[in-house]
Amino acid sequence: DAGVIQSPRHEVTEMGQEVTLRCKPISGHDYLFWYRQTMMRGLELLIYFNNNVPIDDSGMPEDRFSAKMPNASFSTLKIQPSEPRDSAVYFCASSLVGGSEKLFFGSGTQLSVL
Amino acid sequence: AQSVTQLDSHVSVSEGTPVLLRCNYSSSYSPSLFWYVQHPNKGLQLLLKYTSAATLVKGINGFEAEFKKSETSFHLTKPSAHMSDAAEYFCVVSERGTGRRALTFGSGTRLQVQP
Repeated sequence: DAGVIQSPRHEVTEMGQEVTLRCKPISGHDYLFWYRQTMMRGLELLIYFNNNVPIDDSGMPEDRFSAKMPNASFSTLKIQPSEPRDSAVYFCASSLVGGSEKLFFGSGTQLSVL
Repeated sequence: AQSVTQLDSHVSVSEGTPVLLRCNYSSSYSPSLFWYVQHPNKGLQLLLKYTSAATLVKGINGFEAEFKKSETSFHLTKPSAHMSDAAEYFCVVSERGTGRRALTFGSGTRLQVQP
């Protein structure tokens, strides 16, 4: 298995632009998580899905952020409009239900908003 | 509510000497505890996990951690550091029995290994 695949690896954009981050979880995994990592705040959970349904989005910073999971093999995190304070590394992770709670992380998307 | 506190933001050791990364947790329920490692520009990887089967947990790359309920601690140790151990380490808690699957991460400890 190729693991959790995120794209793009790096994204540089200007303030006000729309940004879409993509994630392909490991096949067969029931849970998908979006985390954001910054120096100031560490790793923060933004949202997670179970069987494509959003379960907890309390970590989503504000209405500018939205996440979707249209099917079991794809999820997006969208920021519109983007702001410089959104600059961070965004990680996607997936896991199996009822198992060990072991998360498999993607390599992350480094987002820079200028 | 659950939380973890990593007591050191940076730890520096010499190659071949022991490693100790400290973590204290707070949990209203019976916790699952984990250590994850992040090498530069990489995603996080599970080192080991505790889920009540045994208080001393062995992980990959020679790391182990001991769950001490009386001290609410889950410190990570390794007898002899290797240069390749240089990375950021995260202590993580998950509350079983709450129905919530999300993990709560500590702030991380950066381990430096000097030659």
